[in-house]
Amino acid sequence: QVQLVQSGSELKKPGASVKVSCKSSGYTFTSYGVNWVRQAPGQGLEWMGWINTNTGNPTYAQGFTGRFVFSLDTSVSTAYLQIRPLKAEDTAVYYCARGSGSGWDFDYWGQGTLVTVSS
Amino acid sequence: DIQMTQSPSSLSASVGDRVTITCRAGQSISTYLNWYQQKPGKAPKLLIYGASSLQSGVPSRFSGSGSGTDFTLTISSLQPEDFATYYCQQSYTTPATFGQGTKVEIK
Repeated sequence: QVQLVQSGSELKKPGASVKVSCKSSGYTFTSYGVNWVRQAPGQGLEWMGWINTNTGNPTYAQGFTGRFVFSLDTSVSTAYLQIRPLKAEDTAVYYCARGSGSGWDFDYWGQGTLVTVSS
Repeated sequence: DIQMTQSPSSLSASVGDRVTITCRAGQSISTYLNWYQQKPGKAPKLLIYGASSLQSGVPSRFSGSGSGTDFTLTISSLQPEDFATYYCQQSYTTPATFGQGTKVEIK
């Protein structure tokens, strides 16, 4: 069955960096894009962008350029989100989600990774 | 960016009630509208895609309708496991945008 499994919670200081992983299984990794979605505490869902798993080309939504980097390791069917340098306002749950292939709907999601940025 | 507006922001309902949540897009998005359910501490789950297509495994008490700018999610008979927050999302163009959410609470 399709699964996306993310790395565990992180506690970081402002100015540090974090790399969240999202390991996919149960399907051909390079056939579907991986999207990243942020959810700040008590808030709604915000699409950060996506990475084409076939070409490795990332696309970032406005507000997620510069400090955010999407990357891949196709040999282990894993997508990564790196944030640096971290700011307090980056405190949120970060989800990876598979693009369905027919558009920008997200049919399978990782369990989420809580990143807490605090001094 | 296409703004998505849901109403109401929250509602209280009883088990067995018929519940309707609406979503309005800031411009026409044809039927590129999806609905997700999110329970506390869990990832969102796709319920409806393409405005009215039921995702595999989702109970038939969930249905979606609409096109253009106005859309509806209906739960025909609310069950205890349906108490959650529901989000609409447009997939017409990037950036993909979500509504602010509708929290369905127990009355």
